[in-house]
Amino acid sequence: QVQLVQSGAELKKPGATVRVSCKASGYPFTTYGINWVRQAPGQGLEWMGWISADNGYTQYAQKFQGKVIMTTDTSTNTAYMELRSLRFDDTAIYYCARGKRPAVAGACDYWGQGTLVTVSS
Amino acid sequence: QSVLTQPPSASGTPGQRVTISCSGSSSNIEGNPVSWYQQLPGTAPKLLIYRNNQRPSGVPDRFSGSKSGTSASLAISGLRSEDEADYYCAAWDDSLTGLYVFGTGTRVTVV
Repeated sequence: QVQLVQSGAELKKPGATVRVSCKASGYPFTTYGINWVRQAPGQGLEWMGWISADNGYTQYAQKFQGKVIMTTDTSTNTAYMELRSLRFDDTAIYYCARGKRPAVAGACDYWGQGTLVTVSS
Repeated sequence: QSVLTQPPSASGTPGQRVTISCSGSSSNIEGNPVSWYQQLPGTAPKLLIYRNNQRPSGVPDRFSGSKSGTSASLAISGLRSEDEADYYCAAWDDSLTGLYVFGTGTRVTVV
């Protein structure tokens, strides 16, 4: 069965960088991409971007250009999301979600369990 | 601030039919497939509907999706207590650099 297992909760100070991992199993990793979606406390879902696990092509939401870097490691079937220059309002649950290129297929069919990132001084 | 607008809440009694609307524009819903997600309290979202009206394997046929022009809808028939959750529509938006946008979300309560 398809599974996406994310790394554990993080506590970071403002200005720091956080890296969240998402290990995929149960399917050929390079046949799908990985979306990253975040949800601030009590708020809705916000798409951050997508990376192709096949060739590393990325598509970031304009809001996160220059702030996020998404990568994949095909040797371990793991996707990574690095968020820099953390601010208090980056406090959120960060989800990875499997999907084909969103401009074409537009759906996240399997989701990780989420990683809580807390930014606090 | 999402470009896909949903009513903040909807409710019904067990067995009733509830419909949730999702209003967008020509740059998102009208030209791109719509998905719907269910988020139970304290859990990750789950894909409920893709390509406007397709259900993934395992999703009950009580859930159905439709689209017309710049709007989409999710219907839940035979409402059950376990359907209490937040529901989000989503679609690709072709404006500017492109963006996968989620709706504002609708909290469904079974009274």
